[in-house]
Amino acid sequence: SAVISQKPSRDICQRGTSLTIQCQVDSQVTMMFWYRQQPGQSLTLIATANQGSEATYESGFVIDKFPISRPNLTFSTLTVSNMSPEDSSIYLCSASSGGELFFGEGSRLTVL
Amino acid sequence: GEDVEQSLFLSVREGDSSVINCTYTDSSSTYLYWYKQEPGAGLQLLTYIFSNMDMKQDQRLTVLLNKKDKHLSLRIADTQTGDSAIYFCAARGSQGNLIFGKGTKLSVKP
Repeated sequence: SAVISQKPSRDICQRGTSLTIQCQVDSQVTMMFWYRQQPGQSLTLIATANQGSEATYESGFVIDKFPISRPNLTFSTLTVSNMSPEDSSIYLCSASSGGELFFGEGSRLTVL
Repeated sequence: GEDVEQSLFLSVREGDSSVINCTYTDSSSTYLYWYKQEPGAGLQLLTYIFSNMDMKQDQRLTVLLNKKDKHLSLRIADTQTGDSAIYFCAARGSQGNLIFGKGTKLSVKP
């Protein structure tokens, strides 16, 4: 299994600012994903973080708003840019190891 | 695209069995998953099943897969109050990502 660490675990941010969330996996993984979970909702895929190339975004999510980096097989970052209160959510990093997909504990962002 | 549906609530008494049901639409889903989320916590992978299997058992958990009907269930035997949580069903798409259901909130009454 893979252990995924995310930081920050939570933050309170001001409108208009940007925040970068880091995701570290304790082993090399082929695929990494970023999800959003809005309050009381299920998880929605933001993008697939591709190692060495641009992330693949899902419909409704764009690189300017959610830039993603994946410099190697164990690390990825998600930036939430120019935040508004609608961006208040839990952001979760996920990594695939064989058939299993593991999740970090999530980063709970509150935008005032 | 893929759609995953599950009932939103289930209430059982401590010691009873819980059965949480899920349906999905994409017959090419290779893996199907059950995750548990407790309040304020991340997602805990409970179990998963490969699409060429029809049953998987792991201690108190039994997963049944009916591929023809695209129906997945999670049975929790001897349900305890610590099992109270939201349970998410998820199907793995062709790109490797997961499509989640809305989650079933399991309440266990003493």
